[in-house]
Amino acid sequence: AQKITQTQPGMFVQEKEAVTLDCTYDTSDPSYGLFWYKQPSSGEMIFLIYQGSYDQQNATEGRYSLNFQKARKSANLVISASQLGDSAMYFCAMRDPFSGGYNKLIFGAGTRLAVHP
Amino acid sequence: KAGVTQTPRYLIKTRGQQVTLSCSPISGHRSVSWYQQTPGQGLQFLFEYFSETQRNKGNFPGRFSGRQFSNSRSEMNVSTLELGDSALYLCASSLGSAGEELFFGSGTQLSVL
Repeated sequence: AQKITQTQPGMFVQEKEAVTLDCTYDTSDPSYGLFWYKQPSSGEMIFLIYQGSYDQQNATEGRYSLNFQKARKSANLVISASQLGDSAMYFCAMRDPFSGGYNKLIFGAGTRLAVHP
Repeated sequence: KAGVTQTPRYLIKTRGQQVTLSCSPISGHRSVSWYQQTPGQGLQFLFEYFSETQRNKGNFPGRFSGRQFSNSRSEMNVSTLELGDSALYLCASSLGSAGEELFFGSGTQLSVL
């Protein structure tokens, strides 16, 4: 069955430092998509970055980059130069490959990131 | 460009009642998905609507239902509320094709007493 695993319930990082949030996934389908979302205390899920299984290069969006290691089935999020506003819950998600490509996402349990000044 | 709008933001109901939540997607988006978020179960997919048709459904009982209108706005309904239905209900919209990002709203926090 498809599954997303985030093994870090909580992470601390000093402001301006880089931090890596781990995500591993399990699927037998060769075609899938991986997402990272940020959820601040307000509750809204904010899209950060997307990686397709056939993408040749790791995705990057500003201070966010995705370390995609397909053979290891991992899709770690790297946040460079952390800011206080980065404190939030971070969710890794996979588009369910068996949903016909529709918008059904499977989410991990999340990692709570705290950025300290 | 306005984002995904969910109303109401907070809702308190008692067991046995029913509730209707509303979601207005981003203009031009035809797909609306609903998710339930609880501390114990995390984020779980409820269903997705595209062009007024449900095209995907999660593993939830029949008490959870939804619909989509011609303007792409969507509602979800929960009948005979149970304590375990207390959750943050998130709505997401997209253009509707695979490989796109989903834009989420701020959610409706439902408390069942």
